[in-house]
Amino acid sequence: GNSVTQMEGPVTLSEEAFLTINCTYTATGYPSLFWYVQYPGEGLQLLLKATKADDKGSNKGFEATYRKETTSFHLEKGSVQVSDSAVYFCALRKGGSSNTGKLIFGQGTTLQVKP
Amino acid sequence: EAQVTQNPRYLITVTGKKLTVTCSQNMNHEYMSWYRQDPGLGLRQIYYSMNVEVTDKGDVPEGYKVSRKEKRNFPLILESPSPNQTSLYFCASSLDRGANQPQHFGDGTRLSIL
Repeated sequence: GNSVTQMEGPVTLSEEAFLTINCTYTATGYPSLFWYVQYPGEGLQLLLKATKADDKGSNKGFEATYRKETTSFHLEKGSVQVSDSAVYFCALRKGGSSNTGKLIFGQGTTLQVKP
Repeated sequence: EAQVTQNPRYLITVTGKKLTVTCSQNMNHEYMSWYRQDPGLGLRQIYYSMNVEVTDKGDVPEGYKVSRKEKRNFPLILESPSPNQTSLYFCASSLDRGANQPQHFGDGTRLSIL
């Protein structure tokens, strides 16, 4: 079936460090891929998305590239800030008349950035 | 401001006492969905709706009901809540069920069933 696997957390970094959160997926067809962020006590916010192979999504200094050959969508940021501390979710969504339209989420990766 | 609004944000109640969590979106979205978030299990879909009067079960529908009488509203009903329904619940909406449409989430409702 369709699934998303993220690297285990928590990830602890110092401010200005480079961030990578790994995400791989299993899916038939051509899903779209998303990264969502959940700050403490809040709902999920869309961080970025990519809808086809080799697309790069980017927002707020974060970026991720849709790699079909490695079925991956790793999240990166060049220099993290304390305010980036949150839980990050990788997700996929499939289209087509036979699909329910649900988002399939990874387990989430907690990022803690220390000053 | 485009948003998905859930109420209440927090609720502590007892087993068997019917409750409703409301969800409303102001973006004229066709697709709406409910998820629950549990430690170690991530987010799982409970029910979804493709449009008014069209609803269907997600992956974990047992113990829940929904309705979609108007496009903007999609309430989640627990007829006889049980402790295993203690969880964090999110309502989400998107323009349609297309793969490239991101879902927009509410701030969540934390339910505790004693």
